Amino acid sequence: AQSVTQLGSHVSVSEGALVLLRCNYSSSVPPYLFWYVQYPNQGLQLLLKYTSAATLVKGINGFEAEFKKSETSFHLTKPSAHMSDAAEYFCAVMNEKLTFGTGTRLTIIP
Amino acid sequence: DTAVSQTPKYLVTQMGNDKSIKCEQNLGHDTMYWYKQDSKKFLKIMFSYNNKELIINETVPNRFSPKSPDKAHLNLHINSLELGDSAVYFCASSQGPGGRSTDTQYFGPGTRLTVL
Repeated sequence: AQSVTQLGSHVSVSEGALVLLRCNYSSSVPPYLFWYVQYPNQGLQLLLKYTSAATLVKGINGFEAEFKKSETSFHLTKPSAHMSDAAEYFCAVMNEKLTFGTGTRLTIIP
Repeated sequence: DTAVSQTPKYLVTQMGNDKSIKCEQNLGHDTMYWYKQDSKKFLKIMFSYNNKELIINETVPNRFSPKSPDKAHLNLHINSLELGDSAVYFCASSQGPGGRSTDTQYFGPGTRLTVL
């Protein structure tokens, strides 16, 4: 069985501060991992994905994530938050299907 | 051009009614999906089709019936709607055959279904 756990259903950061959204996975096979973003009243959009190549993955809008097998983690970071980053973020693991975490709502404080 | 489109965007209906949601993708993808997102934003797969053939059917009530007339379309028909069916339904598509892969899934804008 596969699953992802996102720690923190709500995260607030100040504009310009570091964004860190946590994701831990469980998978019986080497995982393929994804981060998606959902802006209000929209569908999901891929931010980045880990496909067992480089462990540090760069995505769109300045986001990146690092795969750490020893910690079973795939945390999402961005050095400097913008107001436009306010959204819901989902971590997901792929086996035969895409299994999503429960999401983290990111709020940016002006 | 919209890559994955869904109609309608909003659907309000009474319990017991039957309704359909349509999905179309113009990406030339082989695999399409239906997901349900509940009021707590939890997102779960319902079905997936590859080239008009059903490949994933999660534990979804048989009141839900997907139909794929061709590989660019995947519609969702729901019979005898219940209050618990209220949710946002997302269609998605990916290029390859589905299953374990690194293919990106492209999501539609969602259909918000409200059952009164």
